[in-house]
Amino acid sequence: AQSVTQLDSQVPVFEEAPVELRCNYSSSVSVYLFWYVQYPNQGLQLLLKYLSGSTLVKGINGFEAEFNKSQTSFHLRKPSVHISDTAEYFCAVSKAGGTSYGKLTFGQGTILTVHP
Amino acid sequence: GAVVSQHPSRVICKSGTSVKIECRSLDFQATTMFWYRQFPKQSLMLMATSNEGSKATYEQGVEKDKFLINHASLTLSTLTVTSAHPEDSSFYICSARDPSTEAFFGQGTRLTVV
Repeated sequence: AQSVTQLDSQVPVFEEAPVELRCNYSSSVSVYLFWYVQYPNQGLQLLLKYLSGSTLVKGINGFEAEFNKSQTSFHLRKPSVHISDTAEYFCAVSKAGGTSYGKLTFGQGTILTVHP
Repeated sequence: GAVVSQHPSRVICKSGTSVKIECRSLDFQATTMFWYRQFPKQSLMLMATSNEGSKATYEQGVEKDKFLINHASLTLSTLTVTSAHPEDSSFYICSARDPSTEAFFGQGTRLTVV
């Protein structure tokens, strides 16, 4: 089984500052890793994903994440945040391989609040 | 990207009644759909995996007789919460998977049982 730990439940930051949302995972098998964003009372939007290849993954809205296998981490970063980035962010993992694709285990979520 | 439509977005029902939630993939065929549940201020928990034309696979602890899942076509899966009670109040989200792409999420359904 896989598990995901998001190390910060809330992250406050000022507009235009950099931000890092931390995610660690645990798995005995190879995994795919994902970051999603959720706005209040809405579904999830995929920010980025790591399946294989380059460990630095670039996503939408200026976000990027780096897969670190030795540290079992997949931290999300953005060099300069906007007010509109205020939302809840979820890190998720699935077993690698086609049959498990989409069957996700989510972290607890991190609420990012961007202050003016 | 692909679009998954979930309906209704909000529903209020009386305790003891049943509620059906629909999840449709609008522009692709989804052989597999997933149903998640999200309690207030908590993460999403996978309830079940729905495969077109076969029985759903439920996660441990999820009552299959209470949460009925039907995936009768390649574009539609339904979740019926039977004999709903206030503790079933939650945010239910579906996702649909095309084998060649990632899973896309619906907008979610806020269920309130009174």
